[in-house]
Amino acid sequence: EVQVLESGGGLVQPGGSLRLSCAASGSTFSSFAMSWVRQAPGKGLEWVSGISGSGDSTYYADSVRGRFTISRDSSKNALYLQMNSLRADDTAVYYCAKLTAYSASAVDYWGQGTLVTVSS
Amino acid sequence: DIQMTQSPSSVSASVGDRVTITCRASQGISSWLAWYQQKPGKAPKSLIYTTSSLQGGVPSRFSGSGYGTDFTLTISSLQPEDFATYYCQQTNSFPLTFGGGTKVEIK
Repeated sequence: EVQVLESGGGLVQPGGSLRLSCAASGSTFSSFAMSWVRQAPGKGLEWVSGISGSGDSTYYADSVRGRFTISRDSSKNALYLQMNSLRADDTAVYYCAKLTAYSASAVDYWGQGTLVTVSS
Repeated sequence: DIQMTQSPSSVSASVGDRVTITCRASQGISSWLAWYQQKPGKAPKSLIYTTSSLQGGVPSRFSGSGYGTDFTLTISSLQPEDFATYYCQQTNSFPLTFGGGTKVEIK
């Protein structure tokens, strides 16, 4: 059974930084792309960032490009999201998601989410 | 980027009803479409990938169809546990954009 578990959320001031982590178990980690998806309070799902199975290709939504960096460490079965220059509209629950294939594909497993609150 | 438009944004239905949700892509995506279900306060749950393939454990009352730009999710006989919000997502290319969601409410 695949399990995906996020950590690292919390309260941060506008302009600050935060690093989210995601631990994946139960699958051949480097064989699958991963993504971060967020959901602002009362809003729909928003795809944030994705990374290929090998980590050599990364992708970002326009809303976070230049501020967020996605990375993965296959030796630790871990996914990361470094978030800089945070703004109030980055406040959301952030979900780590395992994709079904090496690159662009559907999500098959979701984490439980970690809340990021950007506020002074 | 590919834009995804869902309709309706909400639907009221009764247990046993047939419910259909539509998703339209701004450009052709072949069969690269997924559907997710989300209940309040919970993580999304994966239902369908590549338009019509059910994820493991998903009841057969859920089905998907379509190709190119127009897709549908059908719940053949709505059950109490199906009241939730449903999202489509194009999986053709990054960024993997979502539709705005359809809330299925109790009539």
